[in-house]
Formats: sequence, structure tokens, C-alpha cells
Amino acid sequence: QITLKESGPTLVKPTQTLTLTCTFSGFSLSTSGVGVGWIRQPPGKALEWLALIYWNDDKRYSPSLKSRLTITKDTSKNQVVLTMTNMDPVDTATYYCAHRTYSSSNAFDIWGQGTMVTVSS
Amino acid sequence: DIQMTQSPSSLSASVGDRVTITCRASQSISSYLNWYQQKPGKAPKLLIYAASSLQSGVPSRFSGSGSGTDFTLTISSLQPEDFATYYCQQSYSTPPTFGQGTRLEIK
Repeated sequence: QITLKESGPTLVKPTQTLTLTCTFSGFSLSTSGVGVGWIRQPPGKALEWLALIYWNDDKRYSPSLKSRLTITKDTSKNQVVLTMTNMDPVDTATYYCAHRTYSSSNAFDIWGQGTMVTVSS
Repeated sequence: DIQMTQSPSSLSASVGDRVTITCRASQSISSYLNWYQQKPGKAPKLLIYAASSLQSGVPSRFSGSGSGTDFTLTISSLQPEDFATYYCQQSYSTPPTFGQGTRLEIK
């Protein structure tokens, strides 16, 4: 059974750096074809993809946020970490991590419960 | 980026109704189209991948069709637990992009 869970601060100040951790179980991020992505959702708004890391350490970023994002993985700990610099109130959102594989046509087939992050001074 | 446009943005229907939601891509995405259901306060749940493949555990009243730029999600007979927001998403190219969502409400 695949599970993912996001963790990190619930409140950050403007200009600070946000660090979120996705801890997962039930799969290995060293298995060919596997990836973990981050997606966010501002309150009452649609889903927005942020970043993705693959089993081979290939990394992809949202073009509009690329300069602010870094995604890394620790295969031994079964964790993926996302950092976002220079946080702004518009970054207030629920942040999700999700599992992705080629076998489901690159869909995000399993999602974490999400973690709400508020950006405010 | 590939833009995904869903219609309608919201929809009122009754239990037992047949409902169709449409998703259009700004360019051809072959069959790389996925559908998600999201209930308030919950994470999205994958319903359909590759345009028409039913995710394991999803009831058969959900079905998807289409290819290229035009896709549909159909719920054959609405159940009370189906009232939620539905999103399409293309996985054809990076960045993966989502539609704006369709809110399905009880009439």
C-alpha cells in the first residue's frame, strides 16, 4: 500500500524560505519509472503543479516558479524535500505531494493528505 | 504550456442523473488525460487515467473518453457521494497542467 505524507511549517513570514518534506512508504524512489511530484492549491482555487523528481534524479519545475524551487530526494529515508524561497502571501495554499508512474500514464495516482501553509507577517 | 479548459465550471444535478464534463486541451495530447475527484478538505483522487482507463477501486459508473484535444468524463448514474469537484490534467508534456475544475452540486 502506497502512502505519502507532507510535513512542514503551517505559517511562514513573507520573504522566508519554505521547506516541505514528503515522507512515503510502499514504493521505492529508486525504481525505474517512479516519480514524486508537488502540487499546490490556494484556498478555493484550482490545482497547480510545482515540481517533480524521478527515480533517476531527473528534476522538473514549473516554469513560472523555477527560480524559487528546489526538489531533492533521499532514497534511504524515503523522503522528497521541496524548498521554495522568497515566500509571499499569494503562496498561501495547501501543498500536496503525489506518486507518479509511467504505468498509470504519468497520472498522479496516490496523493498525500496535504499540508496547509499560510504566508503572513 | 498546454492549457486545459473544462466545461461547465459548475453543474447542478440530481441523484440518478447522467452527467458529462468536458475538458479541452490547447493542443493535441494524444490520450494523456487524467481525471480527478476532490471533496472539500480532501486530497484529489485519481478516477481515470490515459483518457479512458478506470483506476483500481473506482466505481464503473465513471467513464472517460476522447483523444487529441477533446475529452469527456461521464458519470452514468449520480450517487450522493459523487458530489464533488472534478479536475482534468494532461500528462503529455511538462509542465503537467490542470483544468480549472468543475463543481458538481446537488440540485
